[in-house]
Amino acid sequence: EPEVTQTPSHQVTQMGQEVILRCVPISNHLYFYWYRQILGQKVEFLVSFYNNEISEKSEIFDDQFSVERPDGSNFTLKIRSTKLEDSAMYFCASKLGPTGYTFGSGTRLTVV
Amino acid sequence: SQQGEEDPQALSIQEGENATMNCSYKTSINNLQWYRQNSGRGLVHLILIRSNEREKHSGRLRVTLDTSKKSSSLLITASRAADTASYFCATDALSNAGNMLTFGGGTRLMVKP
Repeated sequence: EPEVTQTPSHQVTQMGQEVILRCVPISNHLYFYWYRQILGQKVEFLVSFYNNEISEKSEIFDDQFSVERPDGSNFTLKIRSTKLEDSAMYFCASKLGPTGYTFGSGTRLTVV
Repeated sequence: SQQGEEDPQALSIQEGENATMNCSYKTSINNLQWYRQNSGRGLVHLILIRSNEREKHSGRLRVTLDTSKKSSSLLITASRAADTASYFCATDALSNAGNMLTFGGGTRLMVKP
């Protein structure tokens, strides 16, 4: 069964450093998303991406965040200057149309 | 107040029993989805029910949707120890250009062998 692949599974970074979280969505999917889950809290929407542009973003997705689909297969989330409160599990997801999502297994980001 | 709130927050049952989890939401929706998450792992899509549907089945899962009460329930029949996980409802709101989901806080289900 097709999967959404996320790398790395765990990343530790120093506060203030830039991180790039990588995702390979399912190849024929058209809609791409990033969500995050702070430990013990709800899964929160960050951003949706369709037709090579952001279609919607949440209040969390401020100027420190950016997304890119550089080559038609990868979908990346960049955090420019990480803060302690960015520590969370980050999930990438994709879908083809009005269906359920396929989520990746997540990247656990720890900011120290 | 939050879209997509589940209750109970935690549920502990014996293997073989049925587990029922409920979800309430606030806004009008296109559809409601249920996801499962094993501890520290990714989200697995279980079932999607559209706003014009009232009930849906998938294997041992049964989902109901009452749009007049803005609520949904997930029933797992004949539970197994392997069903131990957190279960989340998530709503795709009607006014939602990006089709993003709003998740509830989840129900932690423990099935004892």
